[in-house]
Order: sequence, then C-alpha cells, then structure tokens
Amino acid sequence: AQRVTQPEKLLSVFKGAPVELKCNYSYSGSPELFWYVQYSRQRLQLLLRHISRESIKGFTADLNKGETSFHLKKPFAQEEDSAMYYCPLRGRDDKIIFGKGTRLHILP
Amino acid sequence: GAGVSQTPSNKVTEKGKYVELRCDPISGHTALYWYRQSLGQGPEFLIYFQGTGAADDSGLPNDRFFAVRPEGSVSTLKIQRTERGDSAVYLCASSSLAGDGELFFGEGSRLTVL
Repeated sequence: AQRVTQPEKLLSVFKGAPVELKCNYSYSGSPELFWYVQYSRQRLQLLLRHISRESIKGFTADLNKGETSFHLKKPFAQEEDSAMYYCPLRGRDDKIIFGKGTRLHILP
Repeated sequence: GAGVSQTPSNKVTEKGKYVELRCDPISGHTALYWYRQSLGQGPEFLIYFQGTGAADDSGLPNDRFFAVRPEGSVSTLKIQRTERGDSAVYLCASSSLAGDGELFFGEGSRLTVL
C-alpha cells in the first residue's frame, strides 16, 4: 500500500526565513514524488517533481530513499509562498495519492 | 477550452437524491483521476481511468459511487442516494501519462447534501 504523511498541518514562517515542509512516504517499490501547490482561489498545480531535480520559485526537494522522505525547502521565504502544499506519490500502477497537506503561512 | 473543466461548480441537493458530476479533461489526455476533498483534508483518491476503462477504483467509498468514461474523454461521477457525509469538493484531474505524469486539475465541483 502507498501512503504519504505530511506531519504539519500549519507552518508559520517569517518572511526571509528558511522553509522546510516535511513529507514522508511508504511504498514498497520505487515511487515518483511530486509537490503540488494551491494558492488562494486557484486550482491545484504542479510545483516540482523529483525526477527532474529542478528548482521552481526557489523551492527544491530531494528524494531520500533511506529516510523515505521528500521534504520541500526554500532558503528565504517570500510572502507569495503562502499557500497549501501537497506531496503526492505515484506508484507503479499510476495510482496517485496525496497527503493531507500543509498550509504555509508567511509572516511579514 | 485549454484546461480541465468540471460542471457544475456548485451543487446543492437533498439527502437521498441522485447526483452526476462531469469532468471534461484536456484533449488527448488518456488518464483521468477523480478525488474527493473534504474541509481541511487533502485530495482523497477515488478512481482513475486509463482510456475508457477504470484502471483502479479502489478509492470509491461504497457502491453508491460509480464513474464512467465511455469514449475515453469526458467522465461522469455518479452518486446515488446521497448522504450528508458525501458533502465535499470533487476534483478531477487529467494527465498524459506517457509524459511526465503531471496532473492538471479542474476547479472542482462543490457538493452540498442537505
């Protein structure tokens, strides 16, 4: 069975401070992991995916198979980063499941 | 249109009634996913289609829920004998799984069962 855990329901960070949103997964094979973001009154959209190892809007995430984690990081938070963040996992069978999400609130 | 379209955007119904929610995916996307999102929760997987067939329907909560995609494009999620606990936002997403697997979401259908 595949499972994603995002332990923080809400994370408040001051503008300019580093951000780390935690994501842990459980899966017996090699998963594909993503981060999706939902800004206020907008639809869910892809932020980044682990296979491309890219940096989007200053965010990065590294897949750590030993710790089964895929934490999202940004060195300096910006006010426009305030949003809901989700860490879905795609299994071999293309089933994609989501965690409960973390609300990131950037304080001025 | 260019994006995933879901109708209706809002549906209010009475307990026990039948409801249909429609999803029009991005043209050419072979995979289509349905999720349910309750307040304060993440998207909960319901079912996904690859073409016309349901590849995985393990998330459908019970036999009151059913989904079809007869021509491999538009999909309809059908809920019979609605209950108050069915109230949620129902999200649809499509993907070209031959590519990078990115999901493109619709804006959702908000269902309220009174």
